[in-house]
Parts: sequence; C-alpha cells; structure tokens
Amino acid sequence: SQTIHQWPATLVQPVGSPLSLECTVEGTSNPNLYWYRQAAGRGLQLLFYSVGIGQISSEVPQNLSASRPQDRQFILSSKKLLLSDSGFYLCAWSDGHSGNTIYFGEGSWLTVV
Amino acid sequence: QKEVEQDPGPLSVPEGAIVSLNCTYSNSAFQYFMWYRQYSRKGPELLMYTYSSGNKEDGRFTAQVDKSSKYISLFIRDSQPSDSATYLCAMSPRNDMRFGAGTRLTVKP
Repeated sequence: SQTIHQWPATLVQPVGSPLSLECTVEGTSNPNLYWYRQAAGRGLQLLFYSVGIGQISSEVPQNLSASRPQDRQFILSSKKLLLSDSGFYLCAWSDGHSGNTIYFGEGSWLTVV
Repeated sequence: QKEVEQDPGPLSVPEGAIVSLNCTYSNSAFQYFMWYRQYSRKGPELLMYTYSSGNKEDGRFTAQVDKSSKYISLFIRDSQPSDSATYLCAMSPRNDMRFGAGTRLTVKP
C-alpha cells in the first residue's frame, strides 16, 4: 500500500530564517506531488504541483519554492520566511496515470515569529 | 462565483442524529467527487469517492451526486462524537482538484 510521510510536524521559525519541509511517498512510482497551504478557517490553497522529477508548476507567486530531486520526494523551501508564511502545509500525492484522487500527508504546522 | 461552494458551518448535532453536508459547484466538467474528513491539526483523509452521478454507501456514510443540479451531499447516519471533524468536498474533471472550504461538524454526546 502507498504511504506518504511529511516532516517536521511542527516548527517555529523566526522571520527571515530559511525553511525546508520534506515529503516522501512510498509504494508507488511516478506520482503527481502537491504542496498545499491551509490557513486557519480557510480552504486549501494549491502552492505547487509536480508531474515528474524537476518538473514544478507554481500556482501562486510567493516567497516559497519547491523542488523534486527524486521521483518520490518533494521539498518546500524558503530562503527568508515572512510572518504571512505561517500556516498548515500539506504534502499530497495522486496516481500519475489517473490522478483523480489526492491523498494527503499529516501536515506541518509552521509558525513564523 | 467560486467553482465549489460549501457552507463552513459550524454545524452542531446531538449524538445519533443524521447529518447532511452539501456542496454546490459550477463547472459541468467535474466527473470525480470526493469527501475528505479532517480532524483538528491533521491532514485530510479520503472518506468517500464517487464517479459521475449516483449514490455510494459505506457503513454509516452515504455520498450522493446530482450532476443535473450540480449538487453533492454526504450523509452520516447515527452520528458519533468521533465524527466531529471538518468535512471537505472535492471534485475534478480528471486530475485538477477543486476543494470546498470545509464544514466544521461537532457531534455532542
């Protein structure tokens, strides 16, 4: 069966510090990978998605970037965090062929202080 | 107008009640319909998946899709306190998922 792992689960970072959130998927190959952000009381906002190694599409211009160095690894980064980057970040995957159902990781709570 | 509309609630019901959660949408190209359950401070988990119109039942949960009205529903029978969570509807034409804002449900013992 497929599993998705995302870490760290919680982090508190000062303004201006860098960020790295990591996500790996097991039990499947060539998945579509996603990063979402969920602000308190608001819906899911798609930040990045990837259909293959090195192929990243950005949905929202912002202070964040994403990379996919390996088939089942997805990384969300920032060089300098802003207060507005605080939120709940979710990594997700879908089957690379059908792609019509998305499965989420446990999420990472980021507080920028 | 948003592509997917979902009443954010909150919705509070007594234990044992039948719960009805709903979403409307505007894109007639949507074919795949899903419901996710999200507990506090956790990632959403897939609860129900339906392709095109019709009903699908899984235990106490029933998902309905009415494409002619662009309306989907999730029914929870004999609701339990453990059902207290935020429920998100989601839909896509194929692989471009759109989510509702989520309805926060509390089931009181």
